[in-house]
Amino acid sequence: EADIYQTPRYLVIGTGKKITLECSQTMGHDKMYWYQQDPGMELHLIHYSYGVNSTEKGDLSSESTVSRIRTEHFPLTLESARPSHTSQYLCASSEFANYGYTFGSGTRLTVV
Amino acid sequence: KQEVTQIPAALSVPEGENLVLNCSFTDSAIYNLQWFRQDPGKGLTSLLLIQSSQREQTSGRLNASLDKSSGRSTLYIAASQPGDSATYLCAVHAGGTSYGKLTFGQGTILTVHP
Repeated sequence: EADIYQTPRYLVIGTGKKITLECSQTMGHDKMYWYQQDPGMELHLIHYSYGVNSTEKGDLSSESTVSRIRTEHFPLTLESARPSHTSQYLCASSEFANYGYTFGSGTRLTVV
Repeated sequence: KQEVTQIPAALSVPEGENLVLNCSFTDSAIYNLQWFRQDPGKGLTSLLLIQSSQREQTSGRLNASLDKSSGRSTLYIAASQPGDSATYLCAVHAGGTSYGKLTFGQGTILTVHP
């Protein structure tokens, strides 16, 4: 059973729409992460947070934004979706910075 | 910048074979290395974590080794089963200014056929 939940699992939307991908965890972890994975490619960190009101950009530049108002919730928002945003987005959390990662099942986003 | 490479990109074996997946990384200044499994349409499941001071970790039929100085890790799967079919990902926890972030390889797609 998952302790970190991502919704929706699949999303197909039109260009220009605003979308929010939800991620919630019940483990009380301070550290949360968003990774982007294109088909057949490696995961790339796009955002991370070490606690409430703390967010940082990751290694891969992304037009998305994140917020961390509550410990358990780390949503990712795209203000105006484009076909180049088509990808799988994986959320993760960890108790410690260096180990103990738990990943969600991911959201597969298709922008048409 | 840390780079992680996994070979082979894909592997197809008959059931029962022992197999080795390889992972190499360019910067040896890591805190630890982790092997994950990813099933189609699902998230990642952690398999083994090796601390930078360790040489290997074992869990059931899985054994992972780490040679930090040469920047290499291997994942050994004994007596493979069809249920082992998945993508296996290697990831390093970087040190220095990248503290706390994972760098992934592209993965090895494993197919074990009956």
